Amino acid sequence: AQRVTQPEKLLSVFKGAPVELKCNYSYSGSPELFWYVQYSRQRLQLLLRHISRESIKGFTADLNKGETSFHLKKPFAQEEDSAMYYCALNGANFGNEKLTFGTGTRLTIIP
Amino acid sequence: NAGVTQTPKFRVLKTGQSMTLLCAQDMNHEYMYWYRQDPGMGLRLIHYSVGEGTTAKGEVPDGYNVSRLKKQNFLLGLESAAPSQTSVYFCASSGRTPMRWEKLFFGSGTQLSVL
Repeated sequence: AQRVTQPEKLLSVFKGAPVELKCNYSYSGSPELFWYVQYSRQRLQLLLRHISRESIKGFTADLNKGETSFHLKKPFAQEEDSAMYYCALNGANFGNEKLTFGTGTRLTIIP
Repeated sequence: NAGVTQTPKFRVLKTGQSMTLLCAQDMNHEYMYWYRQDPGMGLRLIHYSVGEGTTAKGEVPDGYNVSRLKKQNFLLGLESAAPSQTSVYFCASSGRTPMRWEKLFFGSGTQLSVL
């Protein structure tokens, strides 16, 4: 069975400080990892996908297969980063019906 | 271009009542999904559809039924609502590519309370 663990329900960070949202996964095959974000009064949307290896809104995430982690990082937090963040896992070449979401981390940026 | 539209946005039901949630998408997407979001549980897939006229069970299908009579619409029904079905419901859709994965587009959610 595949599982995603986000150990922090809540995370508060001062503006300008580095941010790291933790995500660990359990999956026996080749994984695909994603971060989805839900800003206040907006829809849940894809932030980034590990296979794309891109930086979105200053966020990056590296897949570490040895530690089975996909932590989301940003060097300098901004107030607009306050949101609910979900890590999600799927098997490579599987459709979204197999996507597993973590329980989410609510990030609050303190001005 | 509205994307994915869910109606209603809020609803309060009494135990045993029935209701239907409507999801409509205007992106000509093949795949549609219904999720529920509960505190401490993340999003869990209820049912999904891979095309018009098809439906399949997700992780937590009990107590729900779905129909996809038209490609753009995906209906979620509760025949006899229970307090355990109090949740936020999200509809999502995605296209189809040879690589299987496509970005999910979500609706704005429906807050359902069952008393």
